[in-house]
Amino acid sequence: KAGVTQTPRYLIKTRGQQVTLSCSPISGHRSVSWYQQTPGQGLQFLFEYFSETQRNKGNFPGRFSGRQFSNSRSEMNVSTLELGDSALYLCASSPTEGLWGNSPLHFGNGTRLTVT
Amino acid sequence: EDQVTQSPEALRLQEGESSSLNCSYTVSGLRGLFWYRQDPGKGPEFLFTLYSAGEEKEKERLKATLTKKESFLHITAPKPEDSATYLCAVRLRGTSGSRLTFGEGTQLTVNP
Repeated sequence: KAGVTQTPRYLIKTRGQQVTLSCSPISGHRSVSWYQQTPGQGLQFLFEYFSETQRNKGNFPGRFSGRQFSNSRSEMNVSTLELGDSALYLCASSPTEGLWGNSPLHFGNGTRLTVT
Repeated sequence: EDQVTQSPEALRLQEGESSSLNCSYTVSGLRGLFWYRQDPGKGPEFLFTLYSAGEEKEKERLKATLTKKESFLHITAPKPEDSATYLCAVRLRGTSGSRLTFGEGTQLTVNP
C-alpha cells in the first residue's frame, strides 16, 4: 500500500509570493491534516480536513489555508510568504473513523519550503 | 496549558547500551499517546499508540510504557540503525482526531 505522498519535495520562494503544496493520502484514508515543523517550534498543527470540510484549525494566520477534494487529496496554500514560513510542511492521513477517531496519523516525507 | 516535554534532548549511546527516553505530559485529559521515529529529511514514522496507564507495547528492541503523567520508550541493546529523532505526541480529550500536540523530540545517536 502506498504511503502518504507529498509534492513537491523542495520549494524555494521569495518573500511576498504564494505557494501551493499537495498531498495524496493513503488509499482509503479520508482524514488529512497538515503540520509545520521548524527547529525552534517543533511540529505545530495547521488544520485538518475530513470529507472536504475543514473541521479544526491551529493558531496560524489566515495566510495559511487549505482544501480537500472529493478523492481526499488535499492542498495547502500560503499567501504573502514571510521569511519565518521557511519550514518542513508535513501532511498526515488517518483512517475514516469520524470526528473522535483515535487511530495514529501516518505522515508523508514533507515539502521543504525555503523563503528568501 | 497543555504541555508535552521530552528528555533528554539528545542521547548518545554505544551499540548494545540500553537506555530510556522520557515523555512527560501535563494535559487536561488524554485520549492517546503516540511515539514516532523521524529520520533526517523524512516524515515521522509511527511506532506505538498507548491509551491508558499501565499499558505497554513492544516492537523489536523498543518498548513503550505509559503512566498517568509520563511515557517511556525503552531501547534494549540498540544498534546504529536505531539512530533517529524520537517524538512523542498526545491526543487530548475534546480535540478531534488529527490534532496532536508534539514534544520537541529526543535525538538518539548509537555509535558502533
